Amino acid sequence: AQSVTQLDSQVPVFEEAPVELRCNYSSSVSVYLFWYVQYPNQGLQLLLKYLSGSTLVKGINGFEAEFNKSQTSFHLRKPSVHISDTAEYFCAVSGVQSSGSRLTFGEGTQLTVNP
Amino acid sequence: DTGVSQNPRHKITKRGQNVTFRCDPISEHNRLYWYRQTLGQGPEFLTYFQNEAQLEKSRLLSDRFSAERPKGSFSTLEIQRTEQGDSAMYLCASSYGTGVSTEAFFGQGTRLTVV
Repeated sequence: AQSVTQLDSQVPVFEEAPVELRCNYSSSVSVYLFWYVQYPNQGLQLLLKYLSGSTLVKGINGFEAEFNKSQTSFHLRKPSVHISDTAEYFCAVSGVQSSGSRLTFGEGTQLTVNP
Repeated sequence: DTGVSQNPRHKITKRGQNVTFRCDPISEHNRLYWYRQTLGQGPEFLTYFQNEAQLEKSRLLSDRFSAERPKGSFSTLEIQRTEQGDSAMYLCASSYGTGVSTEAFFGQGTRLTVV
């Protein structure tokens, strides 16, 4: 079984500032890692995913994340945020051997970008 | 391709009533998932289909819940004798392929309110 902990429930930042959303996971098996974004009244959209290979993963909208196996972390970063990045962000994990790409999500981090 | 479609978007029902939600996945996607998301939480896995076969069910899916995907295309999720604790956003997702790493595309969800 896997679990995900998102360390900050809310992150307020000013526009054009850098941001880091923190995610730690727990698993007894190898995992795939994902970040999803959810805008108000919308479904979830995949930002990026780590499957294997390079530990630095680049996604859409200028986001990137780094997989750190020793620290069991997968933090999401953006060097300069925009107002439009205001949304809920979810970190998720899937066991490599699990059936059907079942995802286990964290509780989410609300990113609010202020002018 | 219009993405994953869920209907209705909102449903208000009285406690004890039965409700049914529909999900139309992206065409040719062989996998379909149902998740439940309560306020302030991340989505929680409910069940998963590969084609018409229901391959996995979460312990969250009590006997009052039933899901079907009769022809391997659209799916329905029925909740019998609704309770106030069933109030949540019900998310459907679909993906294509057999590998664990395939990307899941989410619909906008059905928000259920039990009064």
